[in-house]
Amino acid sequence: QVQLVESGGGVVQPGRSLRLSCAASGFTFSIYSMHWVRQAPGKGLEWVAVISYDGSSKYYADSVKGRFTISRDNSKNTLFLQMNSLRTEDTAVYYCARDGDYDFYWGQGTLVTVSS
Amino acid sequence: QLVLTQSPSASASLGASVKLTCTLSSGHSSYAIAWHQQQPEKGPRFLMKVNSDGGHTKGDGIPDRFSGSSSGAERYLTISSLQYEDEADYYCQTWGPGSWVFGGGTKLTVL
Repeated sequence: QVQLVESGGGVVQPGRSLRLSCAASGFTFSIYSMHWVRQAPGKGLEWVAVISYDGSSKYYADSVKGRFTISRDNSKNTLFLQMNSLRTEDTAVYYCARDGDYDFYWGQGTLVTVSS
Repeated sequence: QLVLTQSPSASASLGASVKLTCTLSSGHSSYAIAWHQQQPEKGPRFLMKVNSDGGHTKGDGIPDRFSGSSSGAERYLTISSLQYEDEADYYCQTWGPGSWVFGGGTKLTVL
């Protein structure tokens, strides 16, 4: 079955960096675009970034553009989110997700807390 | 601009039915959407995709109590025979140019 498992979250000071990972299994990772979505405490879902199946195309929400970088390693079935210059407003649970023509899968999320 | 609008809250009694609405912004009435459920302290779960013609495709294991429909720019999620476990936040989501767009979510309370 499809599994998406995020890791790498934690507590970090403003201005510092953090790298999230999402390990994928149960499907052919290399043929799907992959997304990151976040949810601040008590708030709704916010789309963060997407990367095409081969990594050639990447798009970002305006709120993270220039600070976050999405990447992937198809040989290891892993998705990444490099987060630089973190701000307190980046505090959220970060989910990786993948959709298809008829399905849609979410990971369980990893919590990132940006605080001094 | 592509925007999805949802009512912040809804409520219905145990065993009753409820219909949640997601409204697409002007000029986007042909867009398909997806419904996602988020139970308290859990991650989102895909429920179904709803097309502009009302056809819908449900995720694995989603009970028959959940159904989708459409009318114009509105997309609906109907939950029948409400159970306490249906108390959750429900988000609609659609596909923009190179991105996903989410509605603000509807908090459903089962009375």
